[in-house]
Amino acid sequence: DAKTTQPPSMDCAEGRAANLPCNHSTISGNEYVYWYRQIHSQGPQYIIHGLKNNETNEMASLIITEDRKSSTLILPHATLRDTAVYYCIPGGSNTGKLIFGQGTTLQVKP
Amino acid sequence: DAGVTQSPTHLIKTRGQQVTLRCSPKSGHDTVSWYQQALGQGPQFIFQYYEEEERQRGNFPDRFSGHQFPNYSSELNVNALLLGDSALYLCASSGPRGGYNEQFFGPGTRLTVL
Repeated sequence: DAKTTQPPSMDCAEGRAANLPCNHSTISGNEYVYWYRQIHSQGPQYIIHGLKNNETNEMASLIITEDRKSSTLILPHATLRDTAVYYCIPGGSNTGKLIFGQGTTLQVKP
Repeated sequence: DAGVTQSPTHLIKTRGQQVTLRCSPKSGHDTVSWYQQALGQGPQFIFQYYEEEERQRGNFPDRFSGHQFPNYSSELNVNALLLGDSALYLCASSGPRGGYNEQFFGPGTRLTVL
C-alpha cells in the first residue's frame, strides 16, 4: 500500500481557501487518490477522488501533480463547519479497503 | 434514505465479555466494511462483507468476527473483550454504482471496556 504524508494540522480563516497537501510518492499507476474528512464525533465523509486529472465537485477541488507524487485538496471558501480531520488515502483495485493515516486537522477560524 | 445506521450508539462492557454491534447499509449498497478507531487515531480496517461472506480482512485477531445477512445488514462480534478494544467502531457501506472505495460511514458505536 502506498504511504502518505500529511501535515498534522493547519489553520484557515473563514471565507478563505483551504489548501490541504498530501504527499504520496509511492503511489502506483492505477491507484486513485481519495479524500475523506471526519468532523468531530461523526463518521468519515467521502469528499472527492482522482487519478491523474484535476477534479471538482460541489464540496472541493482536487489538484494532482503531473508525476502523481502529491495532491492538494482545495476547499474554496472554508466555513467553520469545515473544521475536521482530512484524510488522503490512495485506493487501488476498487476493493473498499481504505487505509487511513493520521490525517490533517484543519481548524477554520472566524 | 436514512443512510448508514448503527446500533447501539454507546456500549459499556467488562473484560472477557462478548459484544455484538449492528449496521444497516445505505439503500442500494451491497458491501459493508467495519473499522476500529482508537482515540486520536485514524480508522483501522477490520474486515469487509460482500454477498454474505468475508471478502477481505485487516490485521485483527479471530476474536473479531462478523456476519452479513441477505438484506445486506451486518454484525460485528468481538469475543473475550480486552481493555484495548475500547474504541469507536465504524460501519461503512458501498456499492457497485459509486465504486467500493467511495464509502458512506455510519455515526459509529462507542465501545468502552472496563
